[in-house]
Amino acid sequence: ETGVTQTPRHLVMGMTNKKSLKCEQHLGHNAMYWYKQSAKKPLELMFVYSLEERVENNSVPSRFSPECPNSSHLFLHLHTLQPEDSALYLCASSHLINGANVLTFGAGSRLTVL
Amino acid sequence: AQTVTQSQPEMSVQEAETVTLSCTYDTSESDYYLFWYKQPPSRQMILVIRQEAYKQQNATENRFSVNFQKAAKSFSLKISDSQLGDAAMYFCAYRSEGDDMRFGAGTRLTVKP
Repeated sequence: ETGVTQTPRHLVMGMTNKKSLKCEQHLGHNAMYWYKQSAKKPLELMFVYSLEERVENNSVPSRFSPECPNSSHLFLHLHTLQPEDSALYLCASSHLINGANVLTFGAGSRLTVL
Repeated sequence: AQTVTQSQPEMSVQEAETVTLSCTYDTSESDYYLFWYKQPPSRQMILVIRQEAYKQQNATENRFSVNFQKAAKSFSLKISDSQLGDAAMYFCAYRSEGDDMRFGAGTRLTVKP
């Protein structure tokens, strides 16, 4: 696994827990993303950070809280989640330039909310 | 909003045969980019091939090629000489300038030995 690293790979949490997902990239990219992947649904863009500033929220519930302390790291803080939040959470990064803006993905964090 | 539709939730192909995965999209833009991503089981999503809408020539990457029909807003992926390692979820994606990437729901490809 190279490029974009996500930890943990698997997480099980209760609805009252507080946990965080971590994403790290050393590709020199200046944009980072959180996507939610649920079965049989298109990937849902949750958050975009460009040059460490959040540029899109997409009406994500406040129980998901992103943090981007620098251009190489991205976190997704989770608290009081619901069972329907169980999904694969994908982090991606890219060069924010005009053009194709190809995304490089991490392997994902599989979240199960009990 | 632009939408991406993959009408085939599942496809299967015999090893060494050819398979075509379908994708259509809806947009009012004239300049945009199209992508196919592959997500193997329990592994990360990787870019397979991309196409710039202003290019008439279909993109090709080794055994992977696309049939881009701009007027029909169709972007199918052809996999030739299928291999067991091609088994994965395949996602079609669209992006226009200044917009974020939009994905289809995916097609699960099974390769039979």
